[in-house]
Amino acid sequence: EAGVAQSPRYKIIEKRQSVAFWCNPISGHATLYWYQQILGQGPKLLIQFQNNGVVDDSQLPKDRFSAERLKGVDSTLKIQPAKLEDSAVYLCASSWGVVGETQYFGPGTRLLVL
Amino acid sequence: GENVEQHPSTLSVQEGDSAVIKCTYSDSASNYFPWYKQELGKGPQLIIDIRSNVGEKKDQRIAVTLNKTAKHFSLHITETQPEDSAVYFCAASDRGSTLGRLYFGRGTQLTVWP
Repeated sequence: EAGVAQSPRYKIIEKRQSVAFWCNPISGHATLYWYQQILGQGPKLLIQFQNNGVVDDSQLPKDRFSAERLKGVDSTLKIQPAKLEDSAVYLCASSWGVVGETQYFGPGTRLLVL
Repeated sequence: GENVEQHPSTLSVQEGDSAVIKCTYSDSASNYFPWYKQELGKGPQLIIDIRSNVGEKKDQRIAVTLNKTAKHFSLHITETQPEDSAVYFCAASDRGSTLGRLYFGRGTQLTVWP
């Protein structure tokens, strides 16, 4: 079974620019998560989707971050405008069920903001 | 929200020795405790998990123990091999809630020397 796919793998931008990340979850997985992993820390949840609806976006900096999951499959996460502190790895994960199921992670997108 | 503390932050062992990583959590409602292994440039991969109705779980060289009274859980790796070298993350979640968000520790860099 194919895993969670993410692109691009790496991105370098200057502050105040915008950037978008793409995620394709495991086929059939209803729940999709976006995490931010700052160097030396564990992943922190940004947003959680159930099908194409948002379940939890309490940790998402909504003034600059946005995410959508059209048709309940692929998802995009956007940052506009980027700040230096947004430099991190952005991980996408998916799971079968509504909540609390095993989460499978993609390889992540490494973002460097200069 | 939940707070997960993980120790040590780095651990070096000789091949064949055992390695132990410990985590504590703060929310007594947490009832699901997964452990993830993250290799360089990859996303976290689930290696073992335990639920609150079980005190210990084993899978070949890997075991996890849970003490709900003390709110701590540990990962034990026996007969370590160089390929066990990676960053290990513990996490906690309340799978019974409507969100089931995972809260991660800060990670342990395990190095196994041949």
